[in-house]
Amino acid sequence: AQSVTQPDIHITVSEGASLELRCNYSYGATPYLFWYVQSPGQGLQLLLKYFSGDTLVQGIKGFEAEFKRSQSSFNLRKPSVHWSDAAEYFCAVEPGGGNKLTFGTGTQLKVEL
Amino acid sequence: GAVVSQHPSRVICKSGTSVKIECRSLDFQATTMFWYRQFPKQSLMLMATSNEGSKATYEQGVEKDKFLINHASLTLSTLTVTSAHPEDSSFYICSATPGGTQPQHFGDGTRLSIL
Repeated sequence: AQSVTQPDIHITVSEGASLELRCNYSYGATPYLFWYVQSPGQGLQLLLKYFSGDTLVQGIKGFEAEFKRSQSSFNLRKPSVHWSDAAEYFCAVEPGGGNKLTFGTGTQLKVEL
Repeated sequence: GAVVSQHPSRVICKSGTSVKIECRSLDFQATTMFWYRQFPKQSLMLMATSNEGSKATYEQGVEKDKFLINHASLTLSTLTVTSAHPEDSSFYICSATPGGTQPQHFGDGTRLSIL
């Protein structure tokens, strides 16, 4: 079955530390891949997306993600986390066409000062 | 960047009433809009896909008579929760896309509380 997995439900990092949030997908072909961030009580903001081409994608707020076909992964990274990065992060995939997204279960990021 | 406005942001009403939520794309034409439901501390679950001028496509298990969706123009879609009950209380989020390879842009959500 097609699925998106975010193995980490909660992650806590210290401000200034590096961050990596994991995302794995299970699809027959390479889907379109997205990372969204959600602050409490709000909608989702697109951080970055991968459709094709360069497997290292740069996004907003200093985030980047790397697509690894061999591992079916699209992990999100940031070299130095800021306290304002505390939020819920969702990985999402679009199998291709129709713009219908499937979301992972989300990772709650807590930043310690 | 692309902006999607969702209104109202919060609704509290009595059981049995109907509630309408609006989703507008402010600076682009949205060929497709989506409606999601999010339970506390959980991910988004797609309820339906709405294309301008045609009937919405509902996901399995979503009652189309309970959740009426109208996409009358390229910038507006509405979700009406009919005869709402406490179990309909949730966070509802819409998104919109111009289509093609353009990503979805999300509204800020509507917190619906049925007493």
